[in-house]
Amino acid sequence: AQSVAQPEDQVNVAEGNPLTVKCTYSVSGNPYLFWYVQYPNRGLQFLLKYITGDNLVKGSYGFEAEFNKSQTSFHLKKPSALVSDSALYFCAVRDSVSNFNKFYFGSGTKLNVKP
Amino acid sequence: EAGVAQSPRYKIIEKRQSVAFWCNPISGHATLYWYQQILGQGPKLLIQFQNNGVVDDSQLPKDRFSAERLKGVDSTLKIQPAKLEDSAVYLCASSYGISYTGELFFGEGSRLTVL
Repeated sequence: AQSVAQPEDQVNVAEGNPLTVKCTYSVSGNPYLFWYVQYPNRGLQFLLKYITGDNLVKGSYGFEAEFNKSQTSFHLKKPSALVSDSALYFCAVRDSVSNFNKFYFGSGTKLNVKP
Repeated sequence: EAGVAQSPRYKIIEKRQSVAFWCNPISGHATLYWYQQILGQGPKLLIQFQNNGVVDDSQLPKDRFSAERLKGVDSTLKIQPAKLEDSAVYLCASSYGISYTGELFFGEGSRLTVL
């Protein structure tokens, strides 16, 4: 069965420090992996995706993520956190076997960046 | 390019009342999704349409929830009668099609409070 795990409900980091938000997945076939961000009372905004190619993908707002097939992980990273990065982050996976473009979302990680 | 439009943004009803949410996807997007997001959880797929046909409604509580996309464009999600546990944000998303390997595009969501 397809699934996504975000093991941390909350991540706290000081402004200017690097941040990591963790994600592991289980999927049939090769995974298509995504990160979204959600600000209060807003919908989900796309940050970045891994479909194929380089394991390190770069996305919006200085975020990047590293695909690790052996560890089935796709951790979100940023070298220097901003207070404005404080939000809810969701990892999602779509398997390449399904013909239905079905996405599976993690439970979310709340990122708190303190000044 | 206009984004995914949803209305209303907020709705408060008494239990056992009915409510309807409307979604207009991005022009040209064949696939439309309705997700339920309960506070503190990730989005859960309720129903997925490809044009005006249902691809997946396995997690839709069909005794009280219904959805339609009659002309393959906009969609309506209805709840009748509502229960307290239906309090959530209902997110609409769209994509180019079921073979598309890219991201989903989300609307701002409709927040339902059932009293």
